[in-house]
Amino acid sequence: DTGVSQDPRHKITKRGQNVTFRCDPISEHNRLYWYRQTLGQGPEFLTYFQNEAQLEKSRLLSDRFSAERPKGSFSTLEIQRTEQGDSAMYLCASSFDSNQPQHFGDGTRLSIL
Amino acid sequence: GENVEQHPSTLSVQEGDSAVIKCTYSDSASNYFPWYKQELGKRPQLIIDIRSNVGEKKDQRIAVTLNKTAKHFSLHITETQPEDSAVYFCAATTSGNTPLVFGKGTRLSVIA
Repeated sequence: DTGVSQDPRHKITKRGQNVTFRCDPISEHNRLYWYRQTLGQGPEFLTYFQNEAQLEKSRLLSDRFSAERPKGSFSTLEIQRTEQGDSAMYLCASSFDSNQPQHFGDGTRLSIL
Repeated sequence: GENVEQHPSTLSVQEGDSAVIKCTYSDSASNYFPWYKQELGKRPQLIIDIRSNVGEKKDQRIAVTLNKTAKHFSLHITETQPEDSAVYFCAATTSGNTPLVFGKGTRLSVIA
């Protein structure tokens, strides 16, 4: 068990570009969560999946954000037409099921120039 | 929705002293309360959690207490060590239904 893996660790891009992040959960974990964390704040929920089904999306997830988990294993988070305010750490977490603890990855730090 | 308040935002203690971090929550339906430790540039790591059917849980130098009536829970670290220095986050959720709602964090500094 290597834990939750996220790629890339860092992403620097110009405003207006599209970016995509990947998360590989712990093997056999059915639930996968995306959070966003800005400096000095706790993680804020974005969206989560039960297997391949996206069950909930936060109001923080504007229509420029889309997430997928096509085969119920890894997930991708795409941000289109990036804005300065999108600069943050994007964290992925997974859990075996709805009643088990969530374990986080190291995150992808996004910087918008 | 759920709202979690965490205090203090910063805490400095001498090595060997105890540290206490407190959180309050608003949704009486919340029944699962984890604590995460995050070192600079690293992932949040689960250090202890408690469910609403118990009032206290201990794991070596770390303990968590829960008061459902007052809707608050606390993290207690005894015999603090420099490696305990980190940001600690509390969180709450109605397990099985909703994702975690986090507090804003407490930066703990243990001074040797």
